[in-house]
Amino acid sequence: ELKVEQNPLFLSMQEGKNYTIYCNYSTTSDRLYWYRQDPGKSLESLFVLLSNGAVKQEGRLMASLDTKARLSTLHITAAVHDLSATYFCAVDFGDTPLVFGKGTRLSVIA
Amino acid sequence: NAGVTQTPKFQVLKTGQSMTLQCAQDMNHEYMSWYRQDPGMGLRLIHYSVGAGITDQGEVPNGYNVSRSTTEDFPLRLLSAAPSQTSVYFCASRSPRGLSTDTQYFGPGTRLTVL
Repeated sequence: ELKVEQNPLFLSMQEGKNYTIYCNYSTTSDRLYWYRQDPGKSLESLFVLLSNGAVKQEGRLMASLDTKARLSTLHITAAVHDLSATYFCAVDFGDTPLVFGKGTRLSVIA
Repeated sequence: NAGVTQTPKFQVLKTGQSMTLQCAQDMNHEYMSWYRQDPGMGLRLIHYSVGAGITDQGEVPNGYNVSRSTTEDFPLRLLSAAPSQTSVYFCASRSPRGLSTDTQYFGPGTRLTVL
């Protein structure tokens, strides 16, 4: 079965702190996506990771992919309130629709 | 490029009514999908298509029909609306894996309430 698991599902972090969201998946893939969703809005693409060892960074967010461990991480550095949102990872297992994790609801508090 | 467009943005139906949610993309993407998202929940796949004339069921297809007569359009039909279909519906499109390093794009969503 094709599965994608994210953890944690809920994350409350203080401004200025660092934290990591994990995305594990069940079988071989070398293509993974991270999305952000603000309340009442659609999903916005953050990162596309296309190979083992891929690392992408945008501002305070950095995503990486380890295909051998079937693991991607989304690292948040020095969190700010504007990063409060729900973050989804999605895996491309081949000729099937993307499989999404359940999402991580991030709340950054002062 | 307009990307992925959806109409309407909001809709209220009575139980038993039928309607069609429209989805169009102008990126020449072969793959298109419909998802529903309930409050505080993730995305659940309803139906998807890998090209014109080809559709398949996702995780929660009951009560919904789709067709794909053109590459651009992928309408979702609610046959007889039920309160359980109250949700936000997202359409998405992308290129097949081997043809692109691009992402999957989402439409803005349709917020549906069934009374």
